[in-house]
This record gives sequence, C-alpha cells and structure tokens, in this order.
Amino acid sequence: QSALTQPRSVSGSPGQSVTISCTGTSSDVGGYNYVSWHQQHQGKAPKLMIYDVSKRPSGVPDRFSGSKSGNTASLTISGLQAEDEADYYCCSYAGSNTFVVFGGGTKLTVL
Amino acid sequence: EVQLVQSGAEVKKPGESLKISCKGSGYSFTNYWIGWVRQMSGKGLEWMGIIYPGNSDTRYSPSFQGQVTFSADKSIGTAYLQWNSLTASDTAIYYCARGVVGATKHFDYWGQGTLVTVSS
Repeated sequence: QSALTQPRSVSGSPGQSVTISCTGTSSDVGGYNYVSWHQQHQGKAPKLMIYDVSKRPSGVPDRFSGSKSGNTASLTISGLQAEDEADYYCCSYAGSNTFVVFGGGTKLTVL
Repeated sequence: EVQLVQSGAEVKKPGESLKISCKGSGYSFTNYWIGWVRQMSGKGLEWMGIIYPGNSDTRYSPSFQGQVTFSADKSIGTAYLQWNSLTASDTAIYYCARGVVGATKHFDYWGQGTLVTVSS
C-alpha cells in the first residue's frame, strides 16, 4: 500500500481536461508545499512535470497544472493529447525522517 | 545538460552480490542529493532512500534499511546502489534521480533505469 492515494486510472478524450488526485496526510502533502508530479510513459524513465505543488519545469506545456487543498494535491491536464497517455505519480516531501513518499500511480488513457 | 546515466542490465543468481551505478554530469555532483527508486514489474515507484554525495549523508526508507547500501564517489561523480545477497524479490528496475533539497524539495532529473533480474 502506497503512502499517497491516487486513483488507479482516469480517462478522457482528446481536447478534454482530466484531474488526478493525490491524497496524503498532514505529515506529507498537507504539511509541506513540496508535492511533485512525474509522468512515466510505458518502458521509459519518469519525467518531472510539476514541482512545489504548481510550478512547471522549463519545457513542460502549460496544459499541465497543479494545485493543493489540505491533504489532497491535484494534477490537471487540459486540452488532452494522445501523447499524454502515461502513468502519473505524485510525490511529496514527508519530513526529515521519512523524507519522500510516492503515490501508487494513475494510468491516464486518452480515448 | 544535466544527465544521469546508469549502468547496464544485470542478471544474477540468488545469494550473489551486486553494485549498480549512476553517473551524474552537467551539474555540480556534490551539491545535489541522489535518490534511488525501485519499480517492480507492472508496479509503482517505491522510494528506497537518498544520499548526499558531498558528505555521504544517507537516509534509507524503513522498507529498505539493512537490505541495500548507498555510496558515492564524488571524484568521478558516481553514486552506487549495492546488495550483498540478492533474492528473487529484488528483481526490478532501479532508477536514480537527482534530488533538490533546500528551498524546494523534489526529484528533477531521472536516470534511464537499470534492470536487475535475479533468477536461479
């Protein structure tokens, strides 16, 4: 069982928007603004898409956005494209002892 | 350009030892952490722990404490993940990732992964 809870799968049609949730506790997601999201295409290494809850690294399309409310963080992908089909993992800092926790991953299918 | 390049796939027998590597380039290797992440076949990402090559400060996930050892050789910009006695359950892809720890905390670059297969 992963420390952070994500839906196992979400889907959407091209052009639509989807939101992936990531629920933790006050010891991780709720306690720090250090939530990141990583995209992993089949057979590839993960890639950072969002960090510090809502910041995008250079090169990541602005179709990707992040937010947080309480113990739940969210990744929203607008204007879905076929290339967005991948697994998405949330990750949170969890203090100097635990350090890092991951979500179980969400498979995004573009219909 | 920041790059993390990992060593190649390994096939080992149960009980054997193994050390895989992750070489960083394009940045100051001693100023960032290196994290290790396991991904078993068809499963999610599991955080194993993290090492700071600048002073070898190391933190292990409780799930991996005592099972693996992290090390780093800052003279050649390389971090290592080591097992003393492999079991079949160690079969997985292992990723290294650069950890930014300071005013922000996240993994920003990932290695390509090393597939470790343990089978008799």
